[in-house]
Amino acid sequence: AQRVTQPEKLLSVFKGAPVELKCNYSYSGSPELFWYVQYSRQRLQLLLRHISRESIKGFTADLNKGETSFHLKKPFAQEEDSAMYYCALRSPGGYNKLIFGAGTRLAVHP
Amino acid sequence: DAMVIQNPRYQVTQFGKPVTLSCSQTLNHNVMYWYQQKSSQAPKLLFHYYDKDFNNEADTPDNFQSRRPNTSFCFLDIRSPGLGDTAMYLCASSPGDETQYFGPGTRLLVL
Repeated sequence: AQRVTQPEKLLSVFKGAPVELKCNYSYSGSPELFWYVQYSRQRLQLLLRHISRESIKGFTADLNKGETSFHLKKPFAQEEDSAMYYCALRSPGGYNKLIFGAGTRLAVHP
Repeated sequence: DAMVIQNPRYQVTQFGKPVTLSCSQTLNHNVMYWYQQKSSQAPKLLFHYYDKDFNNEADTPDNFQSRRPNTSFCFLDIRSPGLGDTAMYLCASSPGDETQYFGPGTRLLVL
């Protein structure tokens, strides 16, 4: 069965520190993975997708098929990065169905 | 701005009293989704539409129904809400590619 695991409910760092939000997935096929973010009092929105290999707001994520991971990284955290981050896996069948992880709350302290 | 709108933002209902949540989108997207998100849990897909083609998830309770009268609107009907249906309900739309655009959610409290 497809599954997304985010092992940390909360990640607390100081401004300027590196950040790594962990995401592991379970999927037998070729995965398509995404990171969605929800800032305080805002709606859930797409941050980045693995096939684009892009950097958004300084965040990057690399798909590691050997470790079945898609960790989100940023070298220097900013206070405005504080948010809820969800890793998501595209599910087969249907139309762009997503399976979400339970999310990690990132708190960046001054 | 084109967006996904959900009404109401907060809904309180009594155990067993039917409730309808509304979602509309001005993006002219083919696909619309309903998710249930309980406290500290992942958003869980209930069902989705591609145009009028309805796709129910296997584990979505029969108590949950949906209607999509036109491209813009999609409704979630809970026929007999139980206490366990207290949750945030998220609507999203997509043009059918990888990105989903989410509404702000409706927080439902069943008493």
